[in-house]
Amino acid sequence: AQTVTQSQPEMSVQEAETVTLSCTYDTSESDYYLFWYKQPPSRQMILVIRQEAYKQQNATENRFSVNFQKAAKSFSLKISDSQLGDAAMYFCAYYISNFGNEKLTFGTGTRLTIIP
Amino acid sequence: DTEVTQTPKHLVMGMTNKKSLKCEQHMGHRAMYWYKQKAKKPPELMFVYSYEKLSINESVPSRFSPECPNSSLLNLHLHALQPEDSALYLCASSQGRAPTYEQYFGPGTRLTVT
Repeated sequence: AQTVTQSQPEMSVQEAETVTLSCTYDTSESDYYLFWYKQPPSRQMILVIRQEAYKQQNATENRFSVNFQKAAKSFSLKISDSQLGDAAMYFCAYYISNFGNEKLTFGTGTRLTIIP
Repeated sequence: DTEVTQTPKHLVMGMTNKKSLKCEQHMGHRAMYWYKQKAKKPPELMFVYSYEKLSINESVPSRFSPECPNSSLLNLHLHALQPEDSALYLCASSQGRAPTYEQYFGPGTRLTVT
């Protein structure tokens, strides 16, 4: 079974600084997808960034980028120029597209606090 | 339009009540999901519908009954719930095919069972 581990339950960062959230996963598959989702307090869960395992290039979305190390099964999220609106619970998630087993497996989450 | 809507936003029900949660998407997505989320925990998958057919049931108690009337709608019928069923219930949808497998989540229904 696939597992996703986020070893940092809580992180904090000064506004405008850079922070990196860690995620590791365990799988025997070679073709899969990885996601970072953000869930602000009492608000909707939204997709931050996605990475296809077959792509070597790390995904970027504006201030958000990932460091995808397939051999190490590591998928960290870097947030540059942190803003107050980045405060949220961040979930790393793994997905494999086997028909009948289309599950999104979540990590336990990292609560990010932005210090003004 | 990348929106998944859920109604109601809040629901309080007794253990003998029957109620339903509703989810709707108009993105043409072929897969829809129900999740249960407890405070400070990740979402837990309950059910997956693919092309309007139930493809995954994560051993959810029968007091939760999903229904997919059409490709845009997903319901969750609730009956004889227990206080421990109180949680945020999230609906999500996805295209479910390469290259975009990401799921779009609704705002959730916060359920309290008294």
